[in-house]
Amino acid sequence: DAGVTQSPTHLIKTRGQQVTLRCSPKSGHDTVSWYQQALGQGPQFIFQYYEEEERQRGNFPDRFSGHQFPNYSSELNVNALLLGDSALYLCASSFPTGRETQYFGPGTRLLVL
Amino acid sequence: GQSLEQPSEVTAVEGAIVQINCTYQTSGFYGLSWYQQHDGGAPTFLSYNGLDGLEETGRFSSFLSRSDSYGYLLLQELQMKDSASYFCAVITGANNLFFGTGTRLTVIP
Repeated sequence: DAGVTQSPTHLIKTRGQQVTLRCSPKSGHDTVSWYQQALGQGPQFIFQYYEEEERQRGNFPDRFSGHQFPNYSSELNVNALLLGDSALYLCASSFPTGRETQYFGPGTRLLVL
Repeated sequence: GQSLEQPSEVTAVEGAIVQINCTYQTSGFYGLSWYQQHDGGAPTFLSYNGLDGLEETGRFSSFLSRSDSYGYLLLQELQMKDSASYFCAVITGANNLFFGTGTRLTVIP
């Protein structure tokens, strides 16, 4: 049973560029949430996708956008990268009513220079 | 908005018991979860409390008091591999986790 997978594992970009991160949920899960984790901090909720629509959004600017595909996989896009976007980006999957447990992927570490 | 407070660091001896406290202020509270994260790794689910009281899972237990907006994670028979960061997270709305800043636990021989 495959867990949550993310790609790429590491990424280096320069300011102003755009980046796309990918996530495949755990088998059987149809809800995907994205989090940003800065060094030494807890994960911060970016947004959640269910049935190919953004269901909830955290306090992140519109430069952060996403998409969910019919197979439940998801992408996170960040435009006009800033130095402060350097972080670990985590994807978590769950059932839509599975509030208790979210399963996290290994994350993508993004460095913006 | 939401806010969670937990100690930034805790050190304990192998074999001992340690308690990590978490207080929260939030609207639309649904439950409190605990996650463990080793350096360089992903958060992994440990425990969940939706109702007041104690939940036990092996060496780990978690407690919630909704009236006090307070919870704790109890780790017993500490092992070196328990050295990690521990996050409490409030569940609000539809399946959304709001994390604290984490407690770094160091287990010493």
